[in-house]
Amino acid sequence: AQTVTQSQPEMSVQEAETVTLSCTYDTSENNYYLFWYKQPPSRQMILVIRQEAYKQQNATENRFSVNFQKAAKSFSLKISDSQLGDTAMYFCAFMKSSSGTYKYIFGTGTRLKVLA
Amino acid sequence: DSGVTQTPKHLITATGQRVTLRCSPRSGDLSVYWYQQSLDQGLQFLIQYYNGEERAKGNILERFSAQQFPDLHSELNLSSLELGDSALYFCASSESTSTDTQYFGPGTRLTVL
Repeated sequence: AQTVTQSQPEMSVQEAETVTLSCTYDTSENNYYLFWYKQPPSRQMILVIRQEAYKQQNATENRFSVNFQKAAKSFSLKISDSQLGDTAMYFCAFMKSSSGTYKYIFGTGTRLKVLA
Repeated sequence: DSGVTQTPKHLITATGQRVTLRCSPRSGDLSVYWYQQSLDQGLQFLIQYYNGEERAKGNILERFSAQQFPDLHSELNLSSLELGDSALYFCASSESTSTDTQYFGPGTRLTVL
């Protein structure tokens, strides 16, 4: 069975600094998708970044980038130039869809606080 | 704003009751997904509908059911409610397949007393 592990329950970073959130997963699948979602105090889930497992190039979205290590089953999120608005809960998620079955598994989250 | 709307924002009810949560997907999106986020279970996928038909099931209880209507809005029905059903229920939508990016709504907070 697939699992997603976020080993850092809480982290903090100074404004304008860089922080990396870790995520590891376990699967025997070869093709799948990985996501990072942000959940601010408003509780809405916001997609931050998405990575297809068949793509070797790491995904990047403005200040957000990932370090995808398929062999190590690691998918960390790097936030550069941290801003106060980045304060939120961050969830790593694994998704696999094939032949009508669908697995979408979330980690337990990392609470990030950006300090002024 | 993701473009996905959910009503109501908050719902307080008693054990044994039945409630209906409503979701309107982004314009043009054919797939709707339902998730439950509780303190002890984290975020869990419940069910997916695509263009009116059930596409995939996750950890959805038999007391829960959902449907997607011709206008593509979806409803999640929760019956015989228990205290443990108290949670934040999210709806998400995507263009078509489940490999598309999902856009989440603001959620409905259900409190069962």
